[in-house]
Amino acid sequence: GAVVSQHPSRVICKSGTSVKIECRSLDFQATTMFWYRQFPKQSLMLMATSNEGSKATYEQGVEKDKFLINHASLTLSTLTVTSAHPEDSSFYICSAWTDRTDTQYFGPGTRLTVL
Amino acid sequence: RKEVEQDPGPFNVPEGATVAFNCTYSNSASQSFFWYRQDCRKEPKLLMSVYSSGNEDGRFTAQLNRASQYISLLIRDSKLSDSATYLCVVYTISGGYNKLIFGAGTRLAVHP
Repeated sequence: GAVVSQHPSRVICKSGTSVKIECRSLDFQATTMFWYRQFPKQSLMLMATSNEGSKATYEQGVEKDKFLINHASLTLSTLTVTSAHPEDSSFYICSAWTDRTDTQYFGPGTRLTVL
Repeated sequence: RKEVEQDPGPFNVPEGATVAFNCTYSNSASQSFFWYRQDCRKEPKLLMSVYSSGNEDGRFTAQLNRASQYISLLIRDSKLSDSATYLCVVYTISGGYNKLIFGAGTRLAVHP
């Protein structure tokens, strides 16, 4: 099946710093990638939809200036959490859509802890 | 009202038991439906799609009732390895983009 990777898998940072998370589709081209956030014991919440070569579409309540998304190629999307705060600590998961199987494939997630 | 609602759980069942999960969705224009499984601290993995005619995959049976906007998952002969959180997921096209909307999940714990 299709494979999606995320890097890093875990990051601990100080409050006020910025953190970049990469999401790569390894064996297919993904015109659309999605970024989710999951707090403990809660479901995945879609943060934004990222299309290659265009601006991301953010869900209501998600600050686009805080969560910067770049989808520079058909296999790579990045999420940058700027000026991170402890309340940004969460599990961030990306997914990539392929028309080949009309399915989203999820990355393994990145656990962010902001001290 | 949440777009996708599930049984709150947790379900604690013995091995071999049959367990059923329910899910309702609010958007009647939703197009596709799925059950995902998520293990602790892992990403969700697709368990099965759900079709109007109902579909079965081994011990797992999924049902969809579009009129009632209701989805179900039945697990027969539960195994210890079935312990996980089961997410009801609805696929909708909104604003020109396809979106997966996740339910909060129902936790299943199968004990010996």
